[in-house]
Amino acid sequence: DIQMTQSPSSLSASVGDRVTITCRASQGISNYLAWFQQKPGKAPKSLIYAASSLQSGVPSKFSGSGSGTDFTLTISSLQPEDFATYYCQQYNSYPWTFGQGTRVEI
Amino acid sequence: QVQLVQSGAEVKRPGASVRVSCKASGYTFTNYYLHWVRQAPGQGLEWMGVIDPTSGSTTYAQTFQGRVTMTRDTSTRTVYMELSSLRSEDTAVYYCTRYYGGDSPLFDYWGQGTLVTVYS
Repeated sequence: DIQMTQSPSSLSASVGDRVTITCRASQGISNYLAWFQQKPGKAPKSLIYAASSLQSGVPSKFSGSGSGTDFTLTISSLQPEDFATYYCQQYNSYPWTFGQGTRVEI
Repeated sequence: QVQLVQSGAEVKRPGASVRVSCKASGYTFTNYYLHWVRQAPGQGLEWMGVIDPTSGSTTYAQTFQGRVTMTRDTSTRTVYMELSSLRSEDTAVYYCTRYYGGDSPLFDYWGQGTLVTVYS
């Protein structure tokens, strides 16, 4: 199975900060990497697919990059509604696997 | 509008089975693979498997092999996930979500989640 490792596991930030979360795959996954945002008690929300494609309706402050084994999610200017947990997921090969999550808090 | 509507919460004893349904609407049912993802309390997301609504073919995570069965009913546009031999560690929220395939957006719509509680 492909292991997905996110860092950091949690971070504290302020409104207006630029935040970067990294995700590393244990083997190459091309660009089959997605990012999700999840708030407590809610289903995950898709932000990015194919490593850098923005999901419809998602604000452009979210961006993704990377290919192969190393990927990043960047939030350009953190807003109160962005405080949540973020997950990466590889969908290059079964079983699809998620990172352990990064909690973004104030 | 696209909707994935799941069945309600379940409480089960260890060793029992549970079946969760996911009814799709607002799109061509057979065009999208339906995946199941679960989340134990306070934990991360775990991919369980996928069903092709057209053929009924499935792929399951090894973790659940032998315990999970995914089926579909094209007449009612509903997919089902049955998990057997339940144990306390299976207590989780179970989600269905869809994917067209290839370079299309992944998991763009999700069900609301179904809480399955296993306790003795």
